[in-house]
Amino acid sequence: GAGVSQSPSNKVTEKGKDVELRCDPISGHTALYWYRQSLGQGLEFLIYFQGNSAPDKSGLPSDRFSAERTGGSVSTLTIQRTQQEDSAVYLCASSPGDRVETQYFGPGTRLLVL
Amino acid sequence: SQQGEEDPQALSIQEGENATMNCSYKTSINNLQWYRQNSGRGLVHLILIRSNEREKHSGRLRVTLDTSKKSSSLLITASRAADTASYFCANPRMDSSYKLIFGSGTRLLVRP
Repeated sequence: GAGVSQSPSNKVTEKGKDVELRCDPISGHTALYWYRQSLGQGLEFLIYFQGNSAPDKSGLPSDRFSAERTGGSVSTLTIQRTQQEDSAVYLCASSPGDRVETQYFGPGTRLLVL
Repeated sequence: SQQGEEDPQALSIQEGENATMNCSYKTSINNLQWYRQNSGRGLVHLILIRSNEREKHSGRLRVTLDTSKKSSSLLITASRAADTASYFCANPRMDSSYKLIFGSGTRLLVRP
């Protein structure tokens, strides 16, 4: 079946602009995650959604970052007033609700803030 | 930081040789996982080893785990050019199993 998809693949924006990144999880997966990967680094946890439960936002680096998950499926990560240090690859993952240990990743969105 | 470390940071080998990557972690774990990432894009889950296991095999992959040393290794045997990628270890936090803590990764280059 279809895997996790993300859009756009690449995004170039100017400092101070807002951006929205989209994630479509695998159908039926109740758990959804956002990670950030800076150049040459490992992944940094941002946020976790599980079904209808309140999301774990503890990894969001500042209040400029927010995420929503509508209808328990598609998720949008929004970065307001982007800064150059926000440049990174943003990866989304999903997993079945009862097996959150193994996560299935999308191809990521490469964000460049000029 | 709870992030683990991997070594080497980069590894270049000839096709057909074996590649060994090591991972150290800082906290107690329930399991440890290895992922592959091609060209800085999405990660692919390779293998999961539980804390009560010492060794696990999957095809040309062999993973070992030493919880006393808080370390794991990934061995790729008979490497192929297609194995060229970055390899990451990750372990879920004990208090929040959905939060994976990733190592810094090993960049593997397999020369044809």
